Amino acid sequence: EPEVTQTPSHQVTQMGQEVILRCVPISNHLYFYWYRQILGQKVEFLVSFYNNEISEKSEIFDDQFSVERPDGSNFTLKIRSTKLEDSAMYFCASSRVYEQYFGPGTRLTVT
Amino acid sequence: KQEVTQIPAALSVPEGENLVLNCSFTDSAIYNLQWFRQDPGKGLTSLLLIQSSQREQTSGRLNASLDKSSGRSTLYIAASQPGDSATYLCAVPPFQGGSEKLVFGKGTKLTVNP
Repeated sequence: EPEVTQTPSHQVTQMGQEVILRCVPISNHLYFYWYRQILGQKVEFLVSFYNNEISEKSEIFDDQFSVERPDGSNFTLKIRSTKLEDSAMYFCASSRVYEQYFGPGTRLTVT
Repeated sequence: KQEVTQIPAALSVPEGENLVLNCSFTDSAIYNLQWFRQDPGKGLTSLLLIQSSQREQTSGRLNASLDKSSGRSTLYIAASQPGDSATYLCAVPPFQGGSEKLVFGKGTKLTVNP
């Protein structure tokens, strides 16, 4: 069964460094998303992407964040200058229409 | 602004028991609701998606119902097993149409004791 994959599973970085989180969505899906979950808190929406452009973003998704679909399979989230409060699980999701399928997540730890 | 609440926050039951998890949302103008399962430190697994035109959706021992007018959904798990132990999340779009993002509840942590 097709699934969303994410790499790396765990990333440790120092404050101020840039990180790129990678995702391979399900191949025939059209909509792509990033969510995050700070430990013990709700899953929060960051951004959605459709037709090679951002379709919606939350207030969390400020100028430090960017997304890209560099080729036909990968979908990336870049954080330019990480802060301690960016430490969280980051989930990629994709959907063909309504039902969203999530990847296993990347645990980002900013020290 | 759409808010999703899940009650109870945690539930512990003996194996074999039937149980109900509750989800409520403030804006009833939704076009679907999705239930997920999350194992500790893992991603979210989609369990069921109910369209606004449906009242129920079933998958194996799981049955989800949706009452849009009252802003409620329930997830019924029949004959619970220790492997069902996980956190169950419900999620809805913020309003009907125009947004694909999901708004999540905080989840119900289920423990099924052998």
